[in-house]
Parts: sequence; C-alpha cells; structure tokens
Amino acid sequence: DQQVKQNSPSLSVQEGRISILNCDYTNSMFDYFLWYKKYPAEGPTFLISISSIKDKNEDGRFTVFLNKSAKHLSLHIVPSQPGDSAVYFCAASPRVQGAQKLVFGQGTRLTINP
Amino acid sequence: EAGVAQSPRYKIIEKRQSVAFWCNPISGHATLYWYQQILGQGPKLLIQFQNNGVVDDSQLPKDRFSAERLKGVDSTLKIQPAKLEDSAVYLCASSLLGSPLHFGNGTRLTVT
Repeated sequence: DQQVKQNSPSLSVQEGRISILNCDYTNSMFDYFLWYKKYPAEGPTFLISISSIKDKNEDGRFTVFLNKSAKHLSLHIVPSQPGDSAVYFCAASPRVQGAQKLVFGQGTRLTINP
Repeated sequence: EAGVAQSPRYKIIEKRQSVAFWCNPISGHATLYWYQQILGQGPKLLIQFQNNGVVDDSQLPKDRFSAERLKGVDSTLKIQPAKLEDSAVYLCASSLLGSPLHFGNGTRLTVT
C-alpha cells in the first residue's frame, strides 16, 4: 500500500528552465508535507515543507504547491541549476503530538543538463 | 552544528550472520529514527524513539531486528540473523519536536 507516490522515476531539465516534480498521496490524515533532496552516498537533506493549512510555500528558487482536494503536491525549482541534480523525495506525515512520522515516496531523479 | 553520525559506512555479511549499526544524533534532539531504504525505494520507518522510549516500532521485524537507545542519546540497530532481503541502506535521523528530520549518511548493508 503505497500511501505516497512519485510516478516519475526520472526527469531531465535544461539548465535555467523550470523543474516540476510531482507527488500524490492517498491518506487523508496527512497534514504536513516535505521535500527532501539526496545526493549519492549521502543522507536525505530537508529542502522545503508545507502545512495543510496552506496551498503554497516559497523559499528562494523552491516553491511547493499543495492541492488538498486532489491529494497532490508539486515542487517547482526556478531557475534550475546543475547542482540541483539529485534524487528528490516527497514525504508526508500526520501530526502526532508534534512529532513527525514520515512516509516517503519512491523518489524522482532530477538531472539538470547544461 | 555537528550532524547525525553513523557507523560503519559499509558492511558486507553473509546471510544468517548478525550485524549492528550505531547512530549518534544531533545534540539535544530528543527524537531519533531508524529508516531502511531498499534500492529504488523511499526510506521506510523502522522505529522511532522519544528520548529512550519507543514511540513506534510497528514496522520493525521484531523476530530479527532490535534497537535500543541508551540514556536517550546514542542508538544501535541490530539484525540477527540477517537475510538477503535485508540488503539496504540503514538511515538514522534525529529531530526536535515539530522540526524536520536530519539524516545521517547511512550504513550500506550487503547480505550475500
């Protein structure tokens, strides 16, 4: 039972253009969503998050959009840079007394081409 | 701020052998997690500690996996006996309540 799904295993984008990574979830109890970025041989690092009370959160080149009715979120990276090449994981959590119980998607490998 | 430390980085064992992984979380982080990441999949939560108490171990295969967190700081995850399907990267993470998880670089386990 895959509660968080990233249906695109890979994405290739030209440097300077917009990268859009997508994620779908099925569990209505999820109310906190995060994106993590992972380089080879390293652990995932936190990128950006959004609470279910919002539909957009922006941090520099990174923007996360949440569509609760569609149970869908997306990560936009503008402009894309070579250093953005990595695997991106979408994660979701129900709020449980402030602690996070993250459920991760399978990841999308983003490649930025010069 | 020092990150989450894990050791060893790599481990190769034969099936039915035992193995242990160690994690030192970020200082002051009360919550500690162990995740298993199989190749091509996202990380899957095995166990969550709050200080030295277990909060959630519902996905831990308790017939072969065990974990402890002594004095609410360091933690060890043990597999005994290992199976081929345990080959994965084992990630430790820590956090403050309500804050994003910080992950270590993981231990890559290969069971032959």
